[in-house]
Amino acid sequence: KAGVTQTPRYLIKTRGQQVTLSCSPISGHRSVSWYQQTPGQGLQFLFEYFSETQRNKGNFPGRFSGRQFSNSRSEMNVSTLELGDSALYLCASSLPSGRARMQETQYFGPGTRLLVL
Amino acid sequence: AQRVTQPEKLLSVFKGAPVELKCNYSYSGSPELFWYVQYSRQRLQLLLRHISRESIKGFTADLNKGETSFHLKKPFAQEEDSAMYYCALHGGADGLTFGKGTHLIIQP
Repeated sequence: KAGVTQTPRYLIKTRGQQVTLSCSPISGHRSVSWYQQTPGQGLQFLFEYFSETQRNKGNFPGRFSGRQFSNSRSEMNVSTLELGDSALYLCASSLPSGRARMQETQYFGPGTRLLVL
Repeated sequence: AQRVTQPEKLLSVFKGAPVELKCNYSYSGSPELFWYVQYSRQRLQLLLRHISRESIKGFTADLNKGETSFHLKKPFAQEEDSAMYYCALHGGADGLTFGKGTHLIIQP
């Protein structure tokens, strides 16, 4: 099976712009999660989507949003970019859990490295 | 709030020596604990999870609820074990909470 793919791999934007990142999950995976990775804060959970619905959300401002399409592909959007948004954005997909509130194994993509100038 | 602490940013051991990567967590309920690993130029990937109680690549981890720890251990380190190791907790509605990671270096 092909792994999780993310596009673009690298992106340079300026403050105030907006950006959209894309994630294609492993075939058959319906859950997609997004994470932000920075040297200072490490890996932080942004949000999770399942069946086109946001299921969980981390502690990030409303400038960070996402969506999931019927084919399970997901996009995340960051509006009004700030310098502090420079980070590696990771997407992970997983099968839907058969047990309530259980975390299935997450399969990570290579990430999109965003630089905000 | 759930929290994961990995006290060592860097751990260097010699090949053949035992390895222990520490992980402590804070969570009021019954957590699911994981270890993820990232080898050089590779993606983050699951190493093991506490509910499986299995050994992967010689690594084991036991959940100690009394000490709120989930340390990762291997009796004899190999050079190919050099990587970044992340402990992660799933407590329900907050997704996966990761520790800041420990960079393990195995010296020949």
